Amino acid sequence: DAKTTQPPSMDCAEGRAANLPCNHSTISGNEYVYWYRQIHSQGPQYIIHGLKNNETNEMASLIITEDRKSSTLILPHATLRDTAVYYCTRQRSYGQNFVFGPGTRLSVLP
Amino acid sequence: DAGVIQSPRHEVTEMGQEVTLRCKPISGHNSLFWYRQTMMRGLELLIYFNNNVPIDDSGMPEDRFSAKMPNASFSTLKIQPSEPRDSAVYFCASSGGSFGTGRSPLHFGNGTRLTVT
Repeated sequence: DAKTTQPPSMDCAEGRAANLPCNHSTISGNEYVYWYRQIHSQGPQYIIHGLKNNETNEMASLIITEDRKSSTLILPHATLRDTAVYYCTRQRSYGQNFVFGPGTRLSVLP
Repeated sequence: DAGVIQSPRHEVTEMGQEVTLRCKPISGHNSLFWYRQTMMRGLELLIYFNNNVPIDDSGMPEDRFSAKMPNASFSTLKIQPSEPRDSAVYFCASSGGSFGTGRSPLHFGNGTRLTVT
């Protein structure tokens, strides 16, 4: 039970922003939202995480709704190398392991 | 930072043989995870350790699978005897910081692709 819901696939034009949604309507107050991506056959790569506030790093921005039931990962200027499967997961403050759902397959098109 | 190191990268074996997969976590990380990935089932958590102690092995498919972490810098996942349905990519991941703070991301290795014929 991944406990998150994501669209199975999305397309994005190169150079445009890619906005990947995730629904986590049953998230509890002490659970963080994490995003990873997996490029082809490599191991998943950490992107960003957050609890309540929006977050930004060199890779992406994470927007979490005020009720925390959903979030959006934003890749501001998608490149062909951003083509990957993107996973949204959740982790409790203590004792929760990481469960991965099927993720969203993002295709960045030239 | 060398990252999580897994060996071998590829393993081809015959049904019934014993298979041992190896993982070296990032130095200083105190949590280690084993995952299996297939097209049909996606990424499945098999087992995870904290401070070398197995915390949850409920994802281990059956008694043919076993995992050990004899010290903080090494873990093995063993399949004995192997079967064709065990064919998958096996990933090891480690995490640092205080276990369960929620603020510690997983760092994955590049996996071992296992083929059982």
